[in-house]
Amino acid sequence: EAGVAQSPRYKIIEKRQSVAFWCNPISGHATLYWYQQILGQGPKLLIQFQNNGVVDDSQLPKDRFSAERLKGVDSTLKIQPAKLEDSAVYLCASSFSGIEQFFGPGTRLTVL
Amino acid sequence: KQEVTQIPAALSVPEGENLVLNCSFTDSAIYNLQWFRQDPGKGLTSLLLIQSSQREQTSGRLNASLDKSSGRSTLYIAASQPGDSATYLCAVRRGVTGGGNKLTFGTGTQLKVEL
Repeated sequence: EAGVAQSPRYKIIEKRQSVAFWCNPISGHATLYWYQQILGQGPKLLIQFQNNGVVDDSQLPKDRFSAERLKGVDSTLKIQPAKLEDSAVYLCASSFSGIEQFFGPGTRLTVL
Repeated sequence: KQEVTQIPAALSVPEGENLVLNCSFTDSAIYNLQWFRQDPGKGLTSLLLIQSSQREQTSGRLNASLDKSSGRSTLYIAASQPGDSATYLCAVRRGVTGGGNKLTFGTGTQLKVEL
């Protein structure tokens, strides 16, 4: 069974530029999560989707971050404009039952 | 608000030593607790998941215990090997429906096992 796929794996941008990350969950997993992991910290949930609906986006900085999951399968997370403090690893995870989450390899973002 | 703490933040041990990693959480109303391993530049790999009704789970050289009432979990690694070097994260889940099934993570313990 294929795991959670993410791209790109690495991205370097200048502050105030925009960037987008892509995630393809495990087939059949209705729930998809985006986490932000700043160096030295544990992952923090940004947004959770159930199919193509948002369940929790309470910690998403909505003035600059947006996410969508149009067909209830893959998802895109966008940052526009990026700030220095957005430098982090962005992890995507998916779940079938809600009991266990499976994580992708992450996208490491560096904002200069 | 749930807060998860892991002690120590970093640990270095010689190969073959048995070791214990600690995790504590402030809100005991959890559905389950999960231990993950994270290698540099990689995503998270699930190691053990303990339901709130369970006391412990074992997988190979790993044993995780849960004391829900005191808000504590430990991960025991027996006969450590250099390949165990990684960051270990614990995370708690409040429920399985809606926003309740999000994970709240600790900051991790960075383990180095030396030859």
